[in-house]
Amino acid sequence: GNSVTQMEGPVTLSEEAFLTINCTYTATGYPSLFWYVQYPGEGLQLLLKATKADDKGSNKGFEATYRKETTSFHLEKGSVQVSDSAVYFCALWETSGSRLTFGEGTQLTVNP
Amino acid sequence: DTAVSQTPKYLVTQMGNDKSIKCEQNLGHDTMYWYKQDSKKFLKIMFSYNNKELIINETVPNRFSPKSPDKAHLNLHINSLELGDSAVYFCASSPGTGGNQPQHFGDGTRLSIL
Repeated sequence: GNSVTQMEGPVTLSEEAFLTINCTYTATGYPSLFWYVQYPGEGLQLLLKATKADDKGSNKGFEATYRKETTSFHLEKGSVQVSDSAVYFCALWETSGSRLTFGEGTQLTVNP
Repeated sequence: DTAVSQTPKYLVTQMGNDKSIKCEQNLGHDTMYWYKQDSKKFLKIMFSYNNKELIINETVPNRFSPKSPDKAHLNLHINSLELGDSAVYFCASSPGTGGNQPQHFGDGTRLSIL
């Protein structure tokens, strides 16, 4: 079946450091890919998405590129801020099942 | 104005009780979902409704029963609560069932079983 694997957390960085959170997926067909972010005590919010190979999603300084050849959708940000501390979820949309499949989530803590 | 609102935000109750969680969305979306998030933050879909019709019913104990009185509401009733039901339950909605349509989440209901 379809699945999403994220790098193990938690991740702790200093402010202005470079961030990469790895995400790889297994899917039949060509899924849409998403990154969601969950701030403490809140629900998930869509951060960015990409719907086909080589698409780059970007938002709030975060970027991720849909790489079909490596089945990856790694999240990057050049300079993180304390306010980026949250849990980040990679997800894919399974057309056949009409559902989102989430990765395990990666806790990011950014220290001043 | 909250887009997807869940009530209550916190629910603490005894094992064996029956409880309900309500969800309402004011986005005009056709599709609504219930997810369960465990203590390790793993998120799993439980149910999905499209225009009041059940379209996803995951392997969930039949003690859990969703009800959608109209497309703006999706409630979750849980009978005979067990310790393992302790989790955060999230309601979400999307314009439709297509893959390009992002889901909007409520802030969650934190259920604790004593």
